[in-house]
Amino acid sequence: IAGITQAPTSQILAAGRRMTLRCTQDMRHNAMYWYRQDLGLGLRLIHYSNTAGTTGKGEVPDGYSVSRANTDDFPLTLASAVPSQTSVYFCASSEFGGEAYNEQFFGPGTRLTVL
Amino acid sequence: SQQGEEDPQALSIQEGENATMNCSYKTSINNLQWYRQNSGRGLVHLILIRSNEREKHSGRLRVTLDTSKKSSSLLITASRAADTASYFCATGNTGRRALTFGSGTRLQVQP
Repeated sequence: IAGITQAPTSQILAAGRRMTLRCTQDMRHNAMYWYRQDLGLGLRLIHYSNTAGTTGKGEVPDGYSVSRANTDDFPLTLASAVPSQTSVYFCASSEFGGEAYNEQFFGPGTRLTVL
Repeated sequence: SQQGEEDPQALSIQEGENATMNCSYKTSINNLQWYRQNSGRGLVHLILIRSNEREKHSGRLRVTLDTSKKSSSLLITASRAADTASYFCATGNTGRRALTFGSGTRLQVQP
């Protein structure tokens, strides 16, 4: 593994189903992030984690949950998917520098369609 | 809400020309970063400029920052077809949880 990997690459999901998007990094970064990207809206932060064992809510957290059991993995779960969660999801990581806001490294994304 | 807003939303130029993209933001920042996204891919970091810096260079990239106007510009000189991508500015703002991204500029470089 080099950098950040995400799985699956794409998924079509029926509304109401539960889905976990996986994210793994091998750079030993302490901070990780989940974004969604919708046409014309740029990237919006869903949840973040500044270090293993801690998580926080971003700009659009409703309907999503995350966990950070270790440094490398940061899964994103949709408990009961709705069509408005159709989007491209990006995981990212960085060295946490407090308000230094270091460079972020992005995964290739997961394209999710909820029908 | 978006902190950074890029202008223009789309830009089409010929190979060899320079491309300039602008970013405006609303609140005070610690730094401002530019990222590139090729179609269907994740974002890639290009350059970071701190709030106490006014200009920074990296290869064919030149970034300026004017904190009094709350704006930044990204200049790509001697553009190539491979520069075709979307470009995003992202701001690190005091008190926020992470970087805040703008909606991006789509750059098309015609060969």
